[in-house]
Amino acid sequence: LAKTTQPISMDSYEGQEVNITCSHNNIATNDYITWYQQFPSQGPRFIIQGYKTKVTNEVASLFIPADRKSSTLSLPRVSLSDTAVYYCLVGENTGFQKLVFGTGTRLLVSP
Amino acid sequence: GAVVSQHPSRVICKSGTSVKIECRSLDFQATTMFWYRQFPKQSLMLMATSNEGSKATYEQGVEKDKFLINHASLTLSTLTVTSAHPEDSSFYICSASRGTSSTDTQYFGPGTRLTVL
Repeated sequence: LAKTTQPISMDSYEGQEVNITCSHNNIATNDYITWYQQFPSQGPRFIIQGYKTKVTNEVASLFIPADRKSSTLSLPRVSLSDTAVYYCLVGENTGFQKLVFGTGTRLLVSP
Repeated sequence: GAVVSQHPSRVICKSGTSVKIECRSLDFQATTMFWYRQFPKQSLMLMATSNEGSKATYEQGVEKDKFLINHASLTLSTLTVTSAHPEDSSFYICSASRGTSSTDTQYFGPGTRLTVL
């Protein structure tokens, strides 16, 4: 499983766009990139998954450059309720393969 | 879809007693379930991987005789903390996966807060 590196914390204000970058220099050819969100005292929630280029869903976008050694989770117009810890994980068959969670990025959104 | 539940959500027990935590996939069959533990302000740590009908695979450092895992059906896995001690107090989270394709992801339960007095 490729190791990931993320900023420990980020601060933002309501209405701003937040971009969280994750480095995964040793990503393998068959690895996917998955992001989870976790609120205090809750289980992580799947946000988005991608392999290359750009993926967008109703809550976020995921940008992956051609070399796939990093990825950026983009949260448009954040609100206070987006305050959470965001985890970036990479791996093949992440559904039935064990996930190794890094430290994650603690995002604080202020009014 | 892809809802995972845990029961109980919170439990307080006396030292030396055993506690069972249930993890259920409510709207899909989970070929694989995982159990994690999370201490305050720390990341999730995988304890074991559970496949239906077979013995769980434990991570290094996790005592299999203390943390008993049973994956009796495709929708239910249980974690029993035997002879619990205060240091076992933690947030226990399970996840489940359909495991049918390489793009499947894991869906997490809401977690169980265990406090051992």
